[in-house]
Amino acid sequence: EPEVTQTPSHQVTQMGQEVILRCVPISNHLYFYWYRQILGQKVEFLVSFYNNEISEKSEIFDDQFSVERPDGSNFTLKIRSTKLEDSAMYFCASSVQGVLRTGELFFGEGSRLTVL
Amino acid sequence: RKEVEQDPGPFNVPEGATVAFNCTYSNSASQSFFWYRQDCRKEPKLLMSVYSSGNEDGRFTAQLNRASQYISLLIRDSKLSDSATYLCVVNTGTASKLTFGTGTRLQVTL
Repeated sequence: EPEVTQTPSHQVTQMGQEVILRCVPISNHLYFYWYRQILGQKVEFLVSFYNNEISEKSEIFDDQFSVERPDGSNFTLKIRSTKLEDSAMYFCASSVQGVLRTGELFFGEGSRLTVL
Repeated sequence: RKEVEQDPGPFNVPEGATVAFNCTYSNSASQSFFWYRQDCRKEPKLLMSVYSSGNEDGRFTAQLNRASQYISLLIRDSKLSDSATYLCVVNTGTASKLTFGTGTRLQVTL
């Protein structure tokens, strides 16, 4: 069964360092997303990406964050200068079509980011 | 008021019991509704969509009340494998954003 894969599964970094989280969405999917979940809290939307551009982003997704689809398969999330409060599980997701009708996002297993 | 509100639980029920979860949402423009399941330290997975007419999938029944901005999930004949956190999820009309509730934790015991 096709799946969304994410690397690394866990990254520990120092405050102020840059971090890149990588994702390979399901191959025939057209919409790509990043969500995050701080431990014990709800899953929060960060950004969606369609047709090689950001289609929507949340207030969390400030200038420190960026996304890229550099080669047609990978989808990356970069955090330029990490803060302690960026510590969370970051989930990549993809979908065949937008979520308005089916709501079915296929999530990866997540990348746990710990900022010290 | 939170965009999507759920009782966090936990709900501790014996195997075979029927359990119901509720959820309220604040945005009356919300257009589509879903229940996701999240196992401990795992990714969320779609359980079922929720339609105005109500819908059933095996032991699971979902209902939507637009007037009250209320969504429910009923699980009949609970199994040990149903133990998880159930997330109420709402789309407010954009093609790309889902808003998740904090989830209701269910623990099914022998």
